[in-house]
Amino acid sequence: GNSVTQMEGPVTLSEEAFLTINCTYTATGYPSLFWYVQYPGEGLQLLLKATKADDKGSNKGFEATYRKETTSFHLEKGSVQVSDSAVYFCALLSSGGSYIPTFGRGTSLIVHP
Amino acid sequence: DAGVTQSPTHLIKTRGQQVTLRCSPKSGHDTVSWYQQALGQGPQFIFQYYEEEERQRGNFPDRFSGHQFPNYSSELNVNALLLGDSALYLCASSLDRTRNEQYFGPGTRLTVT
Repeated sequence: GNSVTQMEGPVTLSEEAFLTINCTYTATGYPSLFWYVQYPGEGLQLLLKATKADDKGSNKGFEATYRKETTSFHLEKGSVQVSDSAVYFCALLSSGGSYIPTFGRGTSLIVHP
Repeated sequence: DAGVTQSPTHLIKTRGQQVTLRCSPKSGHDTVSWYQQALGQGPQFIFQYYEEEERQRGNFPDRFSGHQFPNYSSELNVNALLLGDSALYLCASSLDRTRNEQYFGPGTRLTVT
C-alpha cells in the first residue's frame, strides 16, 4: 500500500536558519506529492505540490523537488521566520485510480527569535 | 469567498452516544472528504462524497457514515461513540475527486468521555 514517512520532530531552529524536513514515500504508479501546513488551532493549508518527477513546487519561500529515483519530496526554506512555526505534513495521491490521499504523521517546526 | 466551514467547533459527548458533524465546501467545489486526525498524527481518510454518493472509503467501521446534500454540503455521523473516537475531524473540499488540491476547514474537535 501507499505510505509517507516524515522525519521525527520537533525541529527547532533559530530565525533565519535553513530548514529541511525530509519526506519519503512508497506508492504504486506515479503519485502527486504535496506539502500541507497546519498552524495551531487551524485546519491544513496546501503549501505546495508537484505532480510529476523532477517538478519543483514552491510557495512563500518554501520549495520541494519530486525525486522519483530516491522516492523523496523534501521540504526546504532558506531562511525561516518565527511565523513559520507550525506542523508540516507531506502527502501523496496515487495515480492508480484510487483517489484516497495518504498523509505522513507531520513534523512540528519551532522557530525561535 | 468563504472557504470550507465546519460546525460545531467543539463537541463533548458520552460513550455510546451519536454525533453529527457538518461541513460546507468552498464555493464551486463539488467533492467533500472527511478525515480523522488524532493528537500528534496525520489526517486519516474516512470517506469521500461526490454527486451525493460515497465514492471512496478508508479503513473505518460502519459506525462512521455520511451524507452529501444537493448543495454539496455534507454531514459525518458517528454512532455508538468510543473513547478512541476523540479527535479533530477535518472536512476538505476539492474541485473534483481526482485532485488532492484540497481545501480544509478548521475542524471539529470531538471529545468522548
